[in-house]
Amino acid sequence: DAGITQSPRYKITETGRQVTLMCHQTWSHSYMFWYRQDLGHGLRLIYYSAAADITDKGEVPDGYVVSRSKTENFPLTLESATRSQTSVYFCASTIDTLNTEAFFGQGTRLTVV
Amino acid sequence: AQKITQTQPGMFVQEKEAVTLDCTYDTSDPSYGLFWYKQPSSGEMIFLIYQGSYDQQNATEGRYSLNFQKARKSANLVISASQLGDSAMYFCAMRGRSNTGKLIFGQGTTLQVKP
Repeated sequence: DAGITQSPRYKITETGRQVTLMCHQTWSHSYMFWYRQDLGHGLRLIYYSAAADITDKGEVPDGYVVSRSKTENFPLTLESATRSQTSVYFCASTIDTLNTEAFFGQGTRLTVV
Repeated sequence: AQKITQTQPGMFVQEKEAVTLDCTYDTSDPSYGLFWYKQPSSGEMIFLIYQGSYDQQNATEGRYSLNFQKARKSANLVISASQLGDSAMYFCAMRGRSNTGKLIFGQGTTLQVKP
């Protein structure tokens, strides 16, 4: 099916563990984004990517790592999870024009215990 | 740096009335796009409306319109004839041409429609 999908939808992990959130889109959109959503903060940009092998930091990148070896995939890795990284994570993609909306995945609810 | 500010954490509106959700932005980029998204309690992000910085007219999409005041750097969302299904979180977002294309969001406004 065409679209943007995130996996897993729900994840519980322990403090200090590495965890990877997956994002896959089928449109060949050049831009992809990772956000975290926390009460009172809206959506904060973690990392984004303008194309394969091009990534850049957003507002809250500390503790996260991204890669983009293929246009369609943009995984987000928490190298050593902390409780403060408990959040809902959204992946989004869009093309390289200002007048086109971004399309969002369903979100991943991550709990770090 | 770009910034989006939504100063209304929560709003109430009576069913069938109109409501305005505020959004102000800050950018030095001459070319940018402004977006509004809706997030119902189910969690998905739904695109509502877009306004370009060079657009002469305010954008409209059905019951949604965007009151764009460029000099004041505001992009308020107006929902006419509110429905119960409009109860949701609403986010204002911006994307600038010179800011490497990143899309940034405000803190959001929770709207509750009363029957």
